[in-house]
Amino acid sequence: AQTVTQSQPEMSVQEAETVTLSCTYDTSESDYYLFWYKQPPSRQMILVIRQEAYKQQNATENRFSVNFQKAAKSFSLKISDSQLGDAAMYFCAYRPTQGGSEKLVFGKGTKLTVNP
Amino acid sequence: NAGVTQTPKFRILKIGQSMTLQCTQDMNHNYMYWYRQDPGMGLKLIYYSVGAGITDKGEVPNGYNVSRSTTEDFPLRLELAAPSQTSVYFCASSPGRGNSPLHFGNGTRLTVT
Repeated sequence: AQTVTQSQPEMSVQEAETVTLSCTYDTSESDYYLFWYKQPPSRQMILVIRQEAYKQQNATENRFSVNFQKAAKSFSLKISDSQLGDAAMYFCAYRPTQGGSEKLVFGKGTKLTVNP
Repeated sequence: NAGVTQTPKFRILKIGQSMTLQCTQDMNHNYMYWYRQDPGMGLKLIYYSVGAGITDKGEVPNGYNVSRSTTEDFPLRLELAAPSQTSVYFCASSPGRGNSPLHFGNGTRLTVT
């Protein structure tokens, strides 16, 4: 079964600084999709960014970018110019293209604190 | 556009009681999901549906039931509530597979005492 591991239960960053959240996953497939979701204190799950495994170019969405290392099965999220509103739980998720492709598998999350 | 709507937002149940968590979406998505979120454990899939009349078990289905009679609605039924079912429950929908993201409701916080 595919698994997603987020090894940092908590991280903190100073406002305006850059922080990187780690995510690794275990799969035997060559094609799949990866996602980062943000969950602020309001509890709403919000899509931050997504990456297709067949694309070598790292996805970018404004201040959010990923470092996708397919061989290492690593999918880290970089937040630049951190803002107070970035404080949240961040979840990494994996979705296969073959068996189980209907479902997303989530990591346990990383709690990000942004210090003013 | 309402998106995914879950009701209720909060609920306290006594052990052995039953209840239904409601979920409806107005995006005409075929795929719908129920996840539970326990502290420090991420989200675990309970049940999912790929279309009206089709449901399947996820990772943690025991103690729950679902139905999908329409595209819009995907209720989750808890029978004989147990303290282990204390959790936050999220309903989500998706237009398809692949890189289609999940759209989540705001969650239901359920406490079983």
